Amino acid sequence: GAVVSQHPSWVICKSGTSVKIECRSLDFQATTMFWYRQFPKQSLMLMATSNEGSKATYEQGVEKDKFLINHASLTLSTLTVTSAHPEDSSFYICSANVYADSEQFFGPGTRLTVL
Amino acid sequence: GDSVTQMEGPVTLSEEAFLTINCTYTATGYPSLFWYVQYPGEGLQLLLKATKADDKGSNKGFEATYRKETTSFHLEKGSVQVSDSAVYFCALGFSGGYNKLIFGAGTRLAVHP
Repeated sequence: GAVVSQHPSWVICKSGTSVKIECRSLDFQATTMFWYRQFPKQSLMLMATSNEGSKATYEQGVEKDKFLINHASLTLSTLTVTSAHPEDSSFYICSANVYADSEQFFGPGTRLTVL
Repeated sequence: GDSVTQMEGPVTLSEEAFLTINCTYTATGYPSLFWYVQYPGEGLQLLLKATKADDKGSNKGFEATYRKETTSFHLEKGSVQVSDSAVYFCALGFSGGYNKLIFGAGTRLAVHP
């Protein structure tokens, strides 16, 4: 089946630093990749949608300068949390699909803790 | 706005017990409905789906029926196994299915021998 990986699986950083999270589709080329955020005991919230080679589309309320998304190839998307603060601590999940509007395959998530 | 509400967990059952996880939704249009499962350390996996009213999705002994009149999509399984222990997410989507998914908060299921 289609596999999506994320790296790192968890990261701890100091307030004010930037953190990069990678999302890779391992056995397929992804038309679109999605980034979600999940707070404890809450839903996954879609942050942004990205297509290879073009700018990401951010959901309302998500700061594009805070959460930088780079979809450099059909198998790799990165999310950079810039100048991280404790309120950015969360579980970040990516997903990818092969065709527009086809099934999304999810990564295992990255837990970010900002001290 | 569109939303999904799931019963809070954790749900703790003995092996071979009957499982129901409630899910209700609010939507302005006619969404497709999904159940995803997340096993420990893994990503969410699509468990089953239904695209229109009265459709029944089923997979691995799990099933859920799209009930438009009660705006519900409850997940059921007749006899759970220890290997079913996971977090279950109910979700809705538009435009034919998978983009712009809206998730519930997830329900953790623990099955003990």
